[in-house]
Amino acid sequence: QVHLVESGGGVVQPGRSLRLSCGASGFTFTSHSMHWARQAPGKGLEWVTVISYDGKNKYYADSVKGRFTISRDNSKNTLSLQMNGLTAEDTAVYYCARGGGATTYLDYWGQGTLVTVSS
Amino acid sequence: QSVLTQAPSVSAAPGQKVTISCSGSSSNIGNDYVAWYQQLPGAAPKLLIYDNVKRPSGIPDRFSGSKSGTSATLGITGLQTGDEADYYCGTWDSRLSAAVFGGGTKLTVL
Repeated sequence: QVHLVESGGGVVQPGRSLRLSCGASGFTFTSHSMHWARQAPGKGLEWVTVISYDGKNKYYADSVKGRFTISRDNSKNTLSLQMNGLTAEDTAVYYCARGGGATTYLDYWGQGTLVTVSS
Repeated sequence: QSVLTQAPSVSAAPGQKVTISCSGSSSNIGNDYVAWYQQLPGAAPKLLIYDNVKRPSGIPDRFSGSKSGTSATLGITGLQTGDEADYYCGTWDSRLSAAVFGGGTKLTVL
């Protein structure tokens, strides 16, 4: 079955960088777009970014544009999120999710990894 | 402030029916399909409805979706205590070139 496992979260100081990874299994990775979404403590879901199945197209939320970069390694079934210039507002659980199909829906989600930005 | 608007909370008794609404605009709901997600306490979100009305395998038919113009609705019948969760709508916004979620609706089954 579809399995998504995020890693790389932790505590980081403001202004520093962090790289998250998501390992995918149980499906044909190269057939699906992949998303990152996040959820600040006690808050709602916020979509962060998406990358197309072939890595050629990427879109970002305005809140992270210019600071975060999504990438994928289709040879390793791995999704990544490079986060630079982190601020306290980036503190959240970050979820990796699979794009479901031709339309925009996220059909499988990982369990998330917590990123805390604090001095 | 979310692009998609949802009521913060809704409540109903076990066995009853509840509807959760999601309001958007011509650049998002009015222009694309809507999905609904359920997030149980302490868990990751789970897809409930996609393409406005479709249910993934394993989702009971107590859950239904509909869309009209720039609004969408999630319906849940035969409410159970296990349905207590946060529910989010989501779609693509062509003006933002970004996916968007509603602010979420907390369902309490009294």
